[in-house]
Amino acid sequence: EAQVTQNPRYLITVTGKKLTVTCSQNMNHEYMSWYRQDPGLGLRQIYYSMNVEVTDKGDVPEGYKVSRKEKRNFPLILESPSPNQTSLYFCASSPTGLSAEQYFGPGTRLTVT
Amino acid sequence: AQKVTQAQTEISVVEKEDVTLDCVYETRDTTYYLFWYKQPPSGELVFLIRRNSFDEQNEISGRYSWNFQKSTSSFNFTITASQVVDSAVYFCALSEMGTNAGKSTFGDGTTLTVKP
Repeated sequence: EAQVTQNPRYLITVTGKKLTVTCSQNMNHEYMSWYRQDPGLGLRQIYYSMNVEVTDKGDVPEGYKVSRKEKRNFPLILESPSPNQTSLYFCASSPTGLSAEQYFGPGTRLTVT
Repeated sequence: AQKVTQAQTEISVVEKEDVTLDCVYETRDTTYYLFWYKQPPSGELVFLIRRNSFDEQNEISGRYSWNFQKSTSSFNFTITASQVVDSAVYFCALSEMGTNAGKSTFGDGTTLTVKP
């Protein structure tokens, strides 16, 4: 089944404890992206990757890191999480950049205390 | 900078009513794509439609229709004869193909509640 998977789905952590949210797609898509969703703010793009080894900042990249060493994986790293990073995170992929629709993962709900 | 405005935060209708969700966008690019996504209460994001900047034809898919007007920078979404299952948050999104290629901007979303 074609899909985007994210792990973990739920995470509660403490301020400053490094964490990684994994994202993987099995559709051989070139493009991948991370978003955060906060009440009343829609989806805001954190980072995106047009292809392997190519990543760029979105609108809200502060406090996050990403890497794209393989086409299928695009992990989101929070080196020192803070409470303002409590949010719902979505990973997405798209076959050919942004002329095509994005396929979204199920979301990861992160709480930083 | 690209921007998407969904001025209607929440809309509530009674089943079988028609409802239009507004989307206004800003971009300096001449080539761009517009999208609508649906997020039902279960939380997943579901693609509904894509439209490129050179195609102003309106589209109808069952009870759903979309009106794209470049003159007013709008891409509105109408649900005819709404049903309870249409209750969801709807997002309009914009992707540019020029210098900001790769960036995707979403509106804040419109929460639609359809009451039986």
